[in-house]
Amino acid sequence: NAGVTQTPKFRILKIGQSMTLQCTQDMNHNYMYWYRQDPGMGLKLIYYSVGAGITDKGEVPNGYNVSRSTTEDFPLRLELAAPSQTSVYFCASSYPTTDTQYFGPGTRLTVL
Amino acid sequence: AQSVTQLDSHVSVSEGTPVLLRCNYSSSYSPSLFWYVQHPNKGLQLLLKYTSAATLVKGINGFEAEFKKSETSFHLTKPSAHMSDAAEYFCVVSDRESPGASYDKVIFGPGTSLSVIP
Repeated sequence: NAGVTQTPKFRILKIGQSMTLQCTQDMNHNYMYWYRQDPGMGLKLIYYSVGAGITDKGEVPNGYNVSRSTTEDFPLRLELAAPSQTSVYFCASSYPTTDTQYFGPGTRLTVL
Repeated sequence: AQSVTQLDSHVSVSEGTPVLLRCNYSSSYSPSLFWYVQHPNKGLQLLLKYTSAATLVKGINGFEAEFKKSETSFHLTKPSAHMSDAAEYFCVVSDRESPGASYDKVIFGPGTSLSVIP
């Protein structure tokens, strides 16, 4: 049981490049989340999903897209990377939302 | 709408002395409340959670928190700090945004950095 896994661990992008952050969970959780954490700040919710085929915006969705074709996977897409997207990105899952959120190890992204 | 306030951005204690990290929340319905810990360069780990059962909640590593509805508070305490407790602590609230909402909204507080002095 690996829990929540995220790839890659680190990435450096140039302005305007695109990439997909991968997130997979093997706990059969319905709910999945993407957060970003900026230095000295708390976590801000980017997008969340309550099940396959259902996604919704969080607090800071601009510049990101998500999809949820399976229960296990919840990828986060950056289409045109900007320096403001330099952050650490955490994926989490839970079932249901009032239960514990299990976090992945994070992806540290730098946009230059 | 829900909100979370962590009253101290940084707390410093001596090893062996009590820890108090303060959290106040705003919520319209029946919130669930959580404390998470994040050690440097690590992911987040659940310390404890309140979900409408006992108001005094015990968590891992000797931490506990008391839910006080009248004060809208959920402060985190530990009787005796250990060096390994130095980390960032996040208070989290989860609740429905409206009576008809089918799922909860989750809000993280800004975090409190705990330093432990030898």
